[in-house]
Amino acid sequence: DTEVTQTPKHLVMGMTNKKSLKCEQHMGHRAMYWYKQKAKKPPELMFVYSYEKLSINESVPSRFSPECPNSSLLNLHLHALQPEDSALYLCASSRPTGGKTDGANVLTFGAGSRLTVL
Amino acid sequence: RKEVEQDPGPFNVPEGATVAFNCTYSNSASQSFFWYRQDCRKEPKLLMSVYSSGNEDGRFTAQLNRASQYISLLIRDSKLSDSATYLCVVKGGTGGSYIPTFGRGTSLIVHP
Repeated sequence: DTEVTQTPKHLVMGMTNKKSLKCEQHMGHRAMYWYKQKAKKPPELMFVYSYEKLSINESVPSRFSPECPNSSLLNLHLHALQPEDSALYLCASSRPTGGKTDGANVLTFGAGSRLTVL
Repeated sequence: RKEVEQDPGPFNVPEGATVAFNCTYSNSASQSFFWYRQDCRKEPKLLMSVYSSGNEDGRFTAQLNRASQYISLLIRDSKLSDSATYLCVVKGGTGGSYIPTFGRGTSLIVHP
């Protein structure tokens, strides 16, 4: 079982809907990430939160709105999405240390939320 | 030039074969290196970290060559269950960035 929990596992929404993806971890990690992954492609970084503050936004369209209510939770609010936004959305967490190979940089992924936009 | 490059494959090998994947990275300041495994329609899972001295975990051996800026993964005695996509991940760089960069993944198919 993964230590990063994502809900829902599957989501189908229309282009006018508002929905949210949720992610939770209790490993004490203070860096949390949202990735988007299309079929046969690597995960593509969207957002990074470090100590509950947004530290990276990879020029993601404003129809995706991240939120980090506390150190264990990460949300991704979705509004007015397009069919091309259909993908697997992966949440991950890690300890945000400065890049040394000490195991603390290991990303732990959730099982993902598979989103279909009609 | 992409920051992290991998041969996408697929590598199609028989059970029991030895197979090796390479991954090159462009940022010489990179500090952390990992191999992840991703099964179809599943999330990536850490296979192993890669240390400067090289490391081994059962049938899997990872090596890092900083001078040539590549890492490798060797799988011995391949099993059917090894079929998956193997993602090379590189972290760290100038300023101590902890943002990971993924390679596009190498697909491995082990057949009977």
